[in-house]
Amino acid sequence: GDSVTQTEGPVTVSESESLIINCTYSATSIAYPNLFWYVRYPGEGLQLLLKVITAGQKGSSRGFEATYNKETTSFHLQKASVQESDSAVYYCALGNTGANTGKLTFGHGTILRVHP
Amino acid sequence: EAAVTQSPRNKVTVTGGNVTLSCRQTNSHNYMYWYRQDTGHGLRLIHYSYGAGNLQIGDVPDGYKATRTTQEDFFLLLELASPSQTSLYFCASTGANTEVFFGKGTRLTVV
Repeated sequence: GDSVTQTEGPVTVSESESLIINCTYSATSIAYPNLFWYVRYPGEGLQLLLKVITAGQKGSSRGFEATYNKETTSFHLQKASVQESDSAVYYCALGNTGANTGKLTFGHGTILRVHP
Repeated sequence: EAAVTQSPRNKVTVTGGNVTLSCRQTNSHNYMYWYRQDTGHGLRLIHYSYGAGNLQIGDVPDGYKATRTTQEDFFLLLELASPSQTSLYFCASTGANTEVFFGKGTRLTVV
């Protein structure tokens, strides 16, 4: 089946430091998977951070970026300079195109703690 | 702004108890989903539906029933709750070519 593996947390960094959260995927049932990063702030539901549907493309949002690498089956999340407000849980996910786009395979989530 | 509202936000029940988790979306979305989130696991799909009266089995359906009474409302039923069902439950909705919207979650504890 499909699977997503991401960096074990918690990841602790200081404000203004750079960040990378690794994500690799295996898509056995989806020919052209869409890749996502979701974020969950304390007390909130998951929010879409960014998505990329085409291999080789990069997505970006709120200073975060991730490149869909089909050769290495990776979709690592990076940010050059984190802020304390970035503290949250980050989920890498893959899904299919079509109407049933909420049927997603998630990684286990990576807790990010940013210290001032 | 699309909205998915879950209730209750927190629930404690005893083993063998009967629990219903509620989800309402006001987005006019066709698809609705129930996921569970456990430490060390990503969100795992329990059941989903593509319209009122429809139900599809997800990846971890054992011990759960679900019912979609209207386009807006999707319920998750635990008729004989067990401690293994202690988890954080998320509801989500999506429509054609739209983003997936998640509720804030229901934390269920089975003691």
